[in-house]
Amino acid sequence: QKEVEQNSGPLSVPEGAIASLNCTYSDRGSQSFFWYRQYSGKSPELIMLIYSNGDKEDGRFTAQLNKASQYVSLLIRDSQPSDSATYLCAVMRISGAGSYQLTFGKGTKLSVIP
Amino acid sequence: DTAVSQTPKYLVTQMGNDKSIKCEQNLGHDTMYWYKQDSKKFLKIMFSYNNKELIINETVPNRFSPKSPDKAHLNLHINSLELGDSAVYFCASSHPPTGNYGYTFGSGTRLTVV
Repeated sequence: QKEVEQNSGPLSVPEGAIASLNCTYSDRGSQSFFWYRQYSGKSPELIMLIYSNGDKEDGRFTAQLNKASQYVSLLIRDSQPSDSATYLCAVMRISGAGSYQLTFGKGTKLSVIP
Repeated sequence: DTAVSQTPKYLVTQMGNDKSIKCEQNLGHDTMYWYKQDSKKFLKIMFSYNNKELIINETVPNRFSPKSPDKAHLNLHINSLELGDSAVYFCASSHPPTGNYGYTFGSGTRLTVV
């Protein structure tokens, strides 16, 4: 089983709609959960961090975490063409060496259609 | 003023050559990382250093050797380059190396081996 799984997409939504991105993870001991945005040819940029069950909102972005279901999601309200990018889910867990390690999913490509 | 800077941004070289990528961060972070992003955009950790000490060394060929002269620098040296080494290599840093902090990524080095 892959450690962090995402639907690769592409996910297409019309401008102004809500984009919903999903992620599941395998390690129940995972500590915290991140969403990164990566534009083509650019580096990943942190947009959300969540470590408690429930919702966390920041502007148009809402991260949702359900540790019992090992599921984390990102909602983008009022989607804009500038939101078109690959969204990477990442999970902080303890590696075999006993240190913290950030493990990424393969990313979901989002296209917002004007 | 760049927080995490990598050089060079692009590197084209022939098979069998030895090359280095440099990384510097001015954020005062204790921990630095090297990630490899392949053609399918999968971002995978290679190494992690905390205060100049190696703490994560994932399964990568011995041809890859990280060097950390101080906690603000983490360089990557690659011997006997192979076609399969072509990828984008990202340096990142965080403070501290635990739990609830995201990573700051450099702009990446696109390595092409011909």
